[in-house]
Amino acid sequence: DVVMTQTPLFLSVTPGQPASISCKSTQSLLNTDGNTYLHWYLQKPGQSPQLLLYDVSSRFSGVPDRFSGSGSGTDFTLKISRVEAEDVGVYFCMQGLHYPLSFGGGTKLEIK
Amino acid sequence: EVQLVESGGGLVQPGGSLTLSCAASGFIFSGYWMNWVRQVPGKGLVWVSQMNTDGSITRYTDSVKGRFTISRDNAKNTLYLQMNSLRDEDTGIYYCAKDREWNSLDSWGHGTLVTVSS
Repeated sequence: DVVMTQTPLFLSVTPGQPASISCKSTQSLLNTDGNTYLHWYLQKPGQSPQLLLYDVSSRFSGVPDRFSGSGSGTDFTLKISRVEAEDVGVYFCMQGLHYPLSFGGGTKLEIK
Repeated sequence: EVQLVESGGGLVQPGGSLTLSCAASGFIFSGYWMNWVRQVPGKGLVWVSQMNTDGSITRYTDSVKGRFTISRDNAKNTLYLQMNSLRDEDTGIYYCAKDREWNSLDSWGHGTLVTVSS
């Protein structure tokens, strides 16, 4: 099974400052079709998870452009260019290529 | 607006059974793969099961194989999860999630809590 490892577990960021979350998988997420199936979600306090980015770097509808994703193969990064108060919550990466599907353990973002 | 509304959770003893339902609206339900994802409150997410559009393909995480059955009724726009032989470790909030494409889950319900305890 593919294990997804996120770092750090916890981030405390001043509004307006950048933030970065790493996600590593134990197997490549590059498919034979040329796409890489790594997705990012945010679970805001008291809410269900919501899709932020799919296929490494594509922003889902309505997601602000301060969120960006990068990476390939087994190493991926979510970046927030300028953190805002509404960005608090837990961020999860997820691999969508291999079954069973799997999530990272989560990174909790708080505002200083 | 896409809506997914789960129901059927509750308190059940180990070895017991429950059936979860997920009522979908706001999109063409029959056109999308659907998933169940579990979360112990305050903890991480665990993918549980998936079904394709017509029910001909089902997938499960290993820990529930042989005990859980996913199904759907496209005429009723409803997804189900039949849970048998429940264990303590099945406890959690069960979310129904719509699969946008290639397992990117673009809509989630509010979840229904399943507690397995004696």
